Amino acid sequence: GAVVSQHPSRVICKSGTSVKIECRSLDFQATTMFWYRQFPKQSLMLMATSNEGSKATYEQGVEKDKFLINHASLTLSTLTVTSAHPEDSSFYICSAQQGRDTEAFFGQGTRLTVV
Amino acid sequence: SQQGEEDPQALSIQEGENATMNCSYKTSINNLQWYRQNSGRGLVHLILIRSNEREKHSGRLRVTLDTSKKSSSLLITASRAADTASYFCATDLSGTYKYIFGTGTRLKVLA
Repeated sequence: GAVVSQHPSRVICKSGTSVKIECRSLDFQATTMFWYRQFPKQSLMLMATSNEGSKATYEQGVEKDKFLINHASLTLSTLTVTSAHPEDSSFYICSAQQGRDTEAFFGQGTRLTVV
Repeated sequence: SQQGEEDPQALSIQEGENATMNCSYKTSINNLQWYRQNSGRGLVHLILIRSNEREKHSGRLRVTLDTSKKSSSLLITASRAADTASYFCATDLSGTYKYIFGTGTRLKVLA
């Protein structure tokens, strides 16, 4: 299957700093990527839909100024957690699809710890 | 928000037994996918079933879809200890691109 690479896999940062997470589709072009957040032993919650060349669409309750999403090319989307706080500590996962009615391929996730 | 609920939340079985997990969802869908997640890791795609399909097989996996009941089931036959993981269904809401995940089932297969 197609490969989605997410980087970094693990990051620890100080409270108040910003952290950028990258999501790349390695062998296909993805006009749309998705960002999810997962708390321990819980399911994935969709945060936003990242559209290449346009603004991201955020789910209700997700602060767009807090979680900045950029989809600069057909193979790269980035999520920046700005002014991170301990409550932002979580597992963040991206996914990408080649088109509608196709399977979504997931990155390996990024475990963010804010201290 | 969650689109789906999975049942049971947790399941513990002996190696060699079959495991059945159910997923119910709320609105019309285009597709439904099942994923596996090992602890603290990313998701592994298992099966995609389209809204006009009723059953799909892949190795020891069998997925059914009943759109009239808005439910799906995942059957793992002859389970192995390596099948221990969390299993999630994800539905692609009609008219949208995005996949919303169910609450998940934590499966433990005892050797």
